[in-house]
Amino acid sequence: EVQLVESGGGLVQPGGSLRLSCAASGFSFSSYWMNWVRQAPGKGLEWVANIKQDESEKYYVDSVKGRFTISRDNAKNSLYLQMNSLRVEDTAVYYCARARDCSSTNCYKAWFDPWGQGTLVTVSS
Amino acid sequence: QSVLTQPPSASGTPGQTVTISCSASSSNIGSNPVNWYQQLPGTAPKLLIYRNNQRPSGVPDRFSGSKSGTSASLAISGLQSEDEADYYCAAWDDSLNGWVFGGGTKLTVL
Repeated sequence: EVQLVESGGGLVQPGGSLRLSCAASGFSFSSYWMNWVRQAPGKGLEWVANIKQDESEKYYVDSVKGRFTISRDNAKNSLYLQMNSLRVEDTAVYYCARARDCSSTNCYKAWFDPWGQGTLVTVSS
Repeated sequence: QSVLTQPPSASGTPGQTVTISCSASSSNIGSNPVNWYQQLPGTAPKLLIYRNNQRPSGVPDRFSGSKSGTSASLAISGLQSEDEADYYCAAWDDSLNGWVFGGGTKLTVL
């Protein structure tokens, strides 16, 4: 069964740091672009970042550039999101998602499947 | 404010057909295919439609997608109570160099 399981969420003060993990199983993790998507309480979905199979390309939404870093360990079938300088507005459930059918150079025509169950990050004093 | 525009809510009675729209600009929907995701209450999003009109295995053919120019639509026919969920459209945006989502449409089955 193809599965993604996030962990690492919790309560952190503004300005603090947190590292999220996503454990993949049931597929060849090293063959896929991977993504982080977040959802603030009661709000819609917002794509956060993605990373190519070999980490040679990474993209971020403007609001997290310079604060968040996406990475992966293909040997451990794991995806990570290092979040620094956290703000109240970063409070959200964070989902990892596999990108399907990316080309060798981009994911313009791809889609997300599957998604993990999410991990809640709360930034509050 | 989301880059892709969806109506915040939609409703229908069992058996009816409901359509949810998604519109934006030439840098996203106009250039790239649209995907739709269903989020049942309290759960993670799930892929519903990919590449404008393709259904993954396991998704009933009551769900269909279409795209024309800078707009896309999701149609749900033979509405059932279990279709109550939030629905999101998404596409790659060439200008932002990232994925963009619609604000989501909450579907209520009356």
